[in-house]
Amino acid sequence: GENVEQHPSTLSVQEGDSAVIKCTYSDSASNYFPWYKQELGKRPQLIIDIRSNVGEKKDQRIAVTLNKTAKHFSLHITETQPEDSAVYFCAASRGYIPTFGRGTSLIVHP
Amino acid sequence: DTGVSQDPRHKITKRGQNVTFRCDPISEHNRLYWYRQTLGQGPEFLTYFQNEAQLEKSRLLSDRFSAERPKGSFSTLEIQRTEQGDSAMYLCASSDSLNYGYTFGSGTRLTVV
Repeated sequence: GENVEQHPSTLSVQEGDSAVIKCTYSDSASNYFPWYKQELGKRPQLIIDIRSNVGEKKDQRIAVTLNKTAKHFSLHITETQPEDSAVYFCAASRGYIPTFGRGTSLIVHP
Repeated sequence: DTGVSQDPRHKITKRGQNVTFRCDPISEHNRLYWYRQTLGQGPEFLTYFQNEAQLEKSRLLSDRFSAERPKGSFSTLEIQRTEQGDSAMYLCASSDSLNYGYTFGSGTRLTVV
């Protein structure tokens, strides 16, 4: 089955800095890579996703890049704000059932 | 329709008791998923329905766990003879035919004492 590794487990940045979270996956047939944000005590929410036929996707301050050859993908958040503080999960799937990484706790200091 | 609803939000039960959770997905979503999440971990897949058919179950889903989606709308997840290791957040999610991305519910936090 799919195995997703996510790093770092904790990321602390100053407000306004950029944050990068990296994930690797094992199944070369995986073709869908979503990212979810989970604030403390709340449900995971889909913030951005990318399919394997695209190398990069942006949505305002958030971008995701995918390197299929190396089987890794990354989440980039620019101009971080305190409200970006949350746990971020990457995931990978070849169909409807993604395998999730263990999460990165992002702390943005004002 | 305000999203995926789960009930109850919290459940405390004694070891050995049976518990049942309910999930109401977004009405136009035909796919429904159950996940389990423990502290410091990502969600782990348990089972998946397309309409009323249960199409996939994880090896994590022991024979004490059963899920149903009788009319292709709401779903229930039952855990029989609960064990302390069952303590976790149980998340339900749904998606439609066109999108792979999930909408998660707020979850049911189970504590087995």
